[in-house]
Amino acid sequence: SQQGEEDPQALSIQEGENATMNCSYKTSINNLQWYRQNSGRGLVHLILIRSNEREKHSGRLRVTLDTSKKSSSLLITASRAADTASYFCATSPLGGYKLSFGAGTTVTVRA
Amino acid sequence: GAGVSQSPSNKVTEKGKDVELRCDPISGHTALYWYRQSLGQGLEFLIYFQGNSAPDKSGLPSDRFSAERTGGSVSTLTIQRTQQEDSAVYLCASSRPSDTQYFGPGTRLTVL
Repeated sequence: SQQGEEDPQALSIQEGENATMNCSYKTSINNLQWYRQNSGRGLVHLILIRSNEREKHSGRLRVTLDTSKKSSSLLITASRAADTASYFCATSPLGGYKLSFGAGTTVTVRA
Repeated sequence: GAGVSQSPSNKVTEKGKDVELRCDPISGHTALYWYRQSLGQGLEFLIYFQGNSAPDKSGLPSDRFSAERTGGSVSTLTIQRTQQEDSAVYLCASSRPSDTQYFGPGTRLTVL
């Protein structure tokens, strides 16, 4: 069953704008990860944030985690056409290994 | 190797046939996972291998699905008597224990 739920389901923005998507989950986690998927194929790992971290940056990506609200957000700044993809959050449970994925947010960046 | 590799990249089969999907994990990764992604959906966990431990098969949807991992490296996912609802992208991932999972490009299975 899916633990994470992404919001919105789809997002269309102009190149150069920022894109923000959110993820909510239900149970306690060890960490939360964000992945990108192009054209329905392999997932590319973007960033991992541990349960004791609140914010993390990687290049144009900024991830926040609020364990009290069981939610995370992914911000992509200065978007590019190449950022067009589906983005998934995945949670790793305490003491576990199975990643639970949400249904994803489809981002379209218009040139 | 540079990353997780999977073969074939695409497989079209007829209903009722058996198929085998292969995964080569990143060298040194002891953990290997199989997931399935149906059209427009998130990923569904299928099976997990860790070293020489018994695999976690709790995500396999039916007894037509099986997987093995030989020599702690390459894994094969077998689907017997395929059904149309088995059509999906099958993704393999590997990791060090409890670390980031790195995914392969997937095998797109179409059952006619």
